[in-house]
Amino acid sequence: GQQLNQNPQSMFIQEGEDVSMNCTSSSIFNTWLWYKQDPGEGPVLLIALYKAGELTSNGRLTAQFGITRKDSFLNISASIPSDVGIYFCAGLRGTSGTYKYIFGTGTRLKVLA
Amino acid sequence: DSGVTQTPKHLITATGQRVTLRCSPRSGDLSVYWYQQSLDQGLQFLIQYYNGEERAKGNILERFSAQQFPDLHSELNLSSLELGDSALYFCASSLTDRAEYEQYFGPGTRLTVT
Repeated sequence: GQQLNQNPQSMFIQEGEDVSMNCTSSSIFNTWLWYKQDPGEGPVLLIALYKAGELTSNGRLTAQFGITRKDSFLNISASIPSDVGIYFCAGLRGTSGTYKYIFGTGTRLKVLA
Repeated sequence: DSGVTQTPKHLITATGQRVTLRCSPRSGDLSVYWYQQSLDQGLQFLIQYYNGEERAKGNILERFSAQQFPDLHSELNLSSLELGDSALYFCASSLTDRAEYEQYFGPGTRLTVT
C-alpha cells in the first residue's frame, strides 16, 4: 500500500525540548491530518489542516499545511513525558467516491524525563 | 474515549476461517471507515460507508467485505484468512461523507491468525 514519508522515523528527546517532524509526498493533498497513537490504542486526531499555508495550533502542538500542498509539519513545544507515542500524518487526495486517505509511516517519539 | 466502539478487542483464529468485526460509530456520525494496521504496512485505508452505502474503496482484498446497517453500525467480514491478515483493524467515523472532515478512531480489534 501507498504511504507518506515521515521524518524522523524515531526520536529521543529530553523533557522540555521542542520537537519537529514532517510529512512529505510527491503528490498534492487537499487535507492533512495529524494523529497520535498510544500502544494498543487507536489513533487520536490532533490537528486538521484544510488550506495550503494554514497554520493551526492545539495547545502545545502546531501544525502547518505546506504551501506546495505536498508536505505538512508538526511541532510540539516544551515536550512532556505523556507526549510519548507514535505520531502519524495523513493526507487526503481525490474526489468524493474515489478519494482515500494516505497515512504516513509514523514518527516514534520518546521523551526522557 | 473517541465514542467509537469496536468488538471484539482481540480475536484469535486459524487460517482459512472467517471472522466478523463490528463497529459502532460516534453518536450522530453517518460515515464509517475501516483501516488495517500491520507492522510492516502501517495504516491502510480499506473502505468507507456513508449512511448504509459504500462511498470509497481503498486497499481492500476481495476476501474482505463490509456493510453498514440501518442503525449505522458496520461490520467487516474477513474470509479465507491467511497468516498475513494478522493485524490491528480500526474503525473510524465522521459526521459526513466528505473525508475532509475529521475521523475519530475506535480502539481497534487485534486479529491473530495462526
